[in-house]
Amino acid sequence: AQSVTQLDSHVSVSEGTPVLLRCNYSSSYSPSLFWYVQHPNKGLQLLLKYTSAATLVKGINGFEAEFKKSETSFHLTKPSAHMSDAAEYFCVVRGGGGKLIFGQGTELSVKP
Amino acid sequence: SQTIHQWPATLVQPVGSPLSLECTVEGTSNPNLYWYRQAAGRGLQLLFYSVGIGQISSEVPQNLSASRPQDRQFILSSKKLLLSDSGFYLCAWTWPDLETQYFGPGTRLLVL
Repeated sequence: AQSVTQLDSHVSVSEGTPVLLRCNYSSSYSPSLFWYVQHPNKGLQLLLKYTSAATLVKGINGFEAEFKKSETSFHLTKPSAHMSDAAEYFCVVRGGGGKLIFGQGTELSVKP
Repeated sequence: SQTIHQWPATLVQPVGSPLSLECTVEGTSNPNLYWYRQAAGRGLQLLFYSVGIGQISSEVPQNLSASRPQDRQFILSSKKLLLSDSGFYLCAWTWPDLETQYFGPGTRLLVL
């Protein structure tokens, strides 16, 4: 069975500093992994996805994630945080039948 | 391009009243459609998914039901709302690769 664990429920950074949101996955086969962002009272927007191509995936808004099979991780990073990055971030693995399995989310706060 | 709509955006309903939330997708044919619920401070829970007209799969037993009367229309219903039905309801679609799900703007439901 597939699952994801987001290691931090809340991350706080200062504007201009790097962002690291951690995600570990469990999958019995080569997984498809996603990061989604949700701003308050909004739907989810796809940031990036990994589907067994390049292990370093670049997404929108300067975010990227690296798939590390040996560590079963898919951490999300950004070199320099912006105030507009404050939101909830979800790490997601694709399960059987096209269903998505969501992590519990990481709330990112950005301080001026 | 494809777009997904949900309405209403916000709904306040008394306990025991009926519910009907609507989701429509434009710009694609025969999508897979999904209903999720997001309770406050929690991740997303898949409620129903549909691979075609009249085909509904339920993920969890609950007070809700879903229907797909048309190819690009997905409806979430209840005959009698419970307090625990409060939450943020998100509709999503995917096609043709079944890899990436695209989410609607969501409906905020408050049951009093």
